[in-house]
Amino acid sequence: DAGVIQSPRHEVTEMGQEVTLRCKPISGHDYLFWYRQTMMRGLELLIYFNNNVPIDDSGMPEDRFSAKMPNASFSTLKIQPSEPRDSAVYFCASSPHLATNEKLFFGSGTQLSVL
Amino acid sequence: AQKITQTQPGMFVQEKEAVTLDCTYDTSDQSYGLFWYKQPSSGEMIFLIYQGSYDEQNATEGRYSLNFQKARKSANLVISASQLGDSAMYFCAMREGPETSYDKVIFGPGTSLSVIP
Repeated sequence: DAGVIQSPRHEVTEMGQEVTLRCKPISGHDYLFWYRQTMMRGLELLIYFNNNVPIDDSGMPEDRFSAKMPNASFSTLKIQPSEPRDSAVYFCASSPHLATNEKLFFGSGTQLSVL
Repeated sequence: AQKITQTQPGMFVQEKEAVTLDCTYDTSDQSYGLFWYKQPSSGEMIFLIYQGSYDEQNATEGRYSLNFQKARKSANLVISASQLGDSAMYFCAMREGPETSYDKVIFGPGTSLSVIP
């Protein structure tokens, strides 16, 4: 299994531009999570999906952020317009089932820099 | 309220020595899972070890063991015989049970471990 695949690995953009981060979860995993990691706030859960349906987006910082999961093998996190404070590492993770012993499988992350 | 506390922002350990990384948590659920992840400087998140709230024995995975004290709500990670490659950030995480919201995994702030040759 290829694991969780994220792209791009690095993204540098200018303030005001639209940014789209992509994620392919592990096949057969029902849950997909988007996390943001910063020095100040650590790992924050932004949104997660169950069977392609968004369940909880309470962690999404503001309306500039949106996430979709059009099918079981693909999800996007979009920031429009981007701001310098959005600079962070964005992780996608997937999990097979809903159980307390199910660990998260993480992608390699996308390092986003907004200038 | 913070549900996962890691009180050691940074730790140093001599190579080949053992080290304990602290983690305390807060939950009202009886059923929950505790996890430790390692994040080296390359950035990926690596799963290390899992402990279930109903597990009677402490979890072990190679050089990693978890000192689970349920009554104190602590789940400390013990790394034996430290190696230079153990230098990394370590995150404690919890997946709560069905009484709360067991479809989320919450992470602590992390501990930075440096292994000294």
